[in-house]
Amino acid sequence: QKEVEQNSGPLSVPEGAIASLNCTYSDRGSQSFFWYRQYSGKSPELIMSIYSNGDKEDGRFTAQLNKASQYVSLLIRDSQPSDSATYLCAVNKDGATNKLIFGTGTLLAVQP
Amino acid sequence: EADIYQTPRYLVIGTGKKITLECSQTMGHDKMYWYQQDPGMELHLIHYSYGVNSTEKGDLSSESTVSRIRTEHFPLTLESARPSHTSQYLCASSDSRGAGELFFGEGSRLTVL
Repeated sequence: QKEVEQNSGPLSVPEGAIASLNCTYSDRGSQSFFWYRQYSGKSPELIMSIYSNGDKEDGRFTAQLNKASQYVSLLIRDSQPSDSATYLCAVNKDGATNKLIFGTGTLLAVQP
Repeated sequence: EADIYQTPRYLVIGTGKKITLECSQTMGHDKMYWYQQDPGMELHLIHYSYGVNSTEKGDLSSESTVSRIRTEHFPLTLESARPSHTSQYLCASSDSRGAGELFFGEGSRLTVL
């Protein structure tokens, strides 16, 4: 079992819809959680971070964390074709080192 | 925007050659990392540094080596490149005073023929 699991997709949504991306993790001691966006051939770009249970909103993005279920999600409202990318979930198990464990990513395709 | 730079961005080289991938950051971050990523696969940590003269291997075994003589500089070296080293190498940094976010450079795509 991988430490961070994501559905590889592709997840296809029409323009203007809500895209929902999910991630589960295995280590209950994990402390902080991140969503990165990675365009094809590019490096990961941080888009959201979340540390406590509940929702965190930033513009069109909402991150949700449920530590009891070991589940993190990212909602993208009003999806745009420019949102088409691979979304990586990353988990920080050790705040002293910040060695993030990454999932394989979910490919999102927003159809115009 | 993160100020972390990698060179070269692309490198095609023959088997047996020595290569060095450069990584520099201007943010004063104490921690730096090298991740390796193959197409469609997850990132794997291959090297980690928590400060000057302090480095350790990551979770994925790698034949590469690193050094951290200056805070801002974290080069990766392969003494003798092989086709199995073909991959994307991503350098990142983070600040101990931050919340654990990693900031990535643009990556170095290495092809060994």
